[in-house]
Amino acid sequence: EIVMTQSPVTLSVSPGERATLSCRASQSVGSSLAWYQQKPGQVPRLLIYGPSTRAAGIPARFSGSGSGTEFTLTISSLQSEDFAVYYCQQYNDWPRTFGPGTKVNIK
Amino acid sequence: EVLLVESGGDLVQPGGSLRLSCAPSGFIFSTYRMTWVRQAPGKGLEWVATIKEDGSEKYYVDSVKGRFTISRDNAKNSLFLQMNSLRAEDTAVYYCARGGSMHTYWGQGTLVTVSS
Repeated sequence: EIVMTQSPVTLSVSPGERATLSCRASQSVGSSLAWYQQKPGQVPRLLIYGPSTRAAGIPARFSGSGSGTEFTLTISSLQSEDFAVYYCQQYNDWPRTFGPGTKVNIK
Repeated sequence: EVLLVESGGDLVQPGGSLRLSCAPSGFIFSTYRMTWVRQAPGKGLEWVATIKEDGSEKYYVDSVKGRFTISRDNAKNSLFLQMNSLRAEDTAVYYCARGGSMHTYWGQGTLVTVSS
């Protein structure tokens, strides 16, 4: 099983600042990496896949990069609606696995 | 508009069984792999199972192998998750999601509580 880890666990950011979230895979997943956003009481929303392609309707302030085992989600200028939990997920192998999430808090 | 509507969640005793359903609409169901993902209260997302478009291949997380069965009825546009020998640690919101890789569309989820 490919184990996904995310850092930091919690990130405190002021509105307008840049946020950088990291995701690491225990073995290479190539480019088969997706990022999701989940707000309290809501369904996960796909942000990025492939790992740099934004899903439909996702603002340009969200960007993804990386390959192999190291990936990054960057939010260039945090808006109030961006405070949420972010999960990475690999879809290179079975079982599919999610990271434990990074919670982005208002500083 | 793509919609996924889960049903079947309930309170069940340990060792019991439950069958979840997912009713998709707004897309050609038979042309997509389908997946169940769960989320325990206050916890992260866990992939549970995926089924191929024609049902010929199924994949499961180790913790549910031998207890859960994913299936589909393409003629009736339905996805199922049969859950047997339920344990307290299966307590979660269960989401159905379109696709077998990344998931653009998710249902609202159905809550399964395993408790005596």
